[in-house]
Amino acid sequence: EVQLVESGGGLVQPGRSLRLSCAASGFTFDDYAMHWVRQAPGKGLEWVSTISWNSGSIYYADSVKGRFTISRDNAKNSLYLQMNSLRAEDTALYYCAKDILLIAATGTCLDYWGQGTLVTVSS
Amino acid sequence: DIQMTQSPSSLSESVGDRVTITCRASQSISSHLNWYQQKPGKAPKLLIYAASSLQSGVPSRFSGSGSGTDFTLTISSLQPEDFATYYCQQSYSTLYTFGQGTKLEIK
Repeated sequence: EVQLVESGGGLVQPGRSLRLSCAASGFTFDDYAMHWVRQAPGKGLEWVSTISWNSGSIYYADSVKGRFTISRDNAKNSLYLQMNSLRAEDTALYYCAKDILLIAATGTCLDYWGQGTLVTVSS
Repeated sequence: DIQMTQSPSSLSESVGDRVTITCRASQSISSHLNWYQQKPGKAPKLLIYAASSLQSGVPSRFSGSGSGTDFTLTISSLQPEDFATYYCQQSYSTLYTFGQGTKLEIK
């Protein structure tokens, strides 16, 4: 059974940093690209970032580019999101999601999602 | 970036009704369109990929169609468990974007 378990969320002051983790199990982690998607309270889904199976291709939404860094450790079956210079508008539930392909490609989709970890940016 | 616009933003329907939700892309995305269902307090679930392919385990009352810029998600006969929020997502560009969501409520 595929499982994705996010952790690392919490309350953080504006301008500070936070690192999210996603522990994957039930599939061969290094066979798939992975994503972070967020959802502000009461709002819709916003794609945040994607990393290919070997970290060779990485993409970010304009709203987080230059502040967030996605990474993965295939030996540990783990995905990460380093979030710097956090803003109030980054407050959201952050989901880790599995791609169906090795790389971020045209025509792909997200077939498994974790339950999310909540990040609240407030003074 | 490619913008995705769903309509309506919300709708109220009855069990047994046929429902259609529309998603429009700001440019042609061929058939690279996915649909997700999200229930309150739960993670999104993939329903349809590549505009019209049903994800394994998803009931056949769900169907998708369209290509280019205009897409539809149809539920042929609403069941109580179908009341949720539905999102489209384009995968034509690697800057994947979602629609704003359509909330389906019980009338």
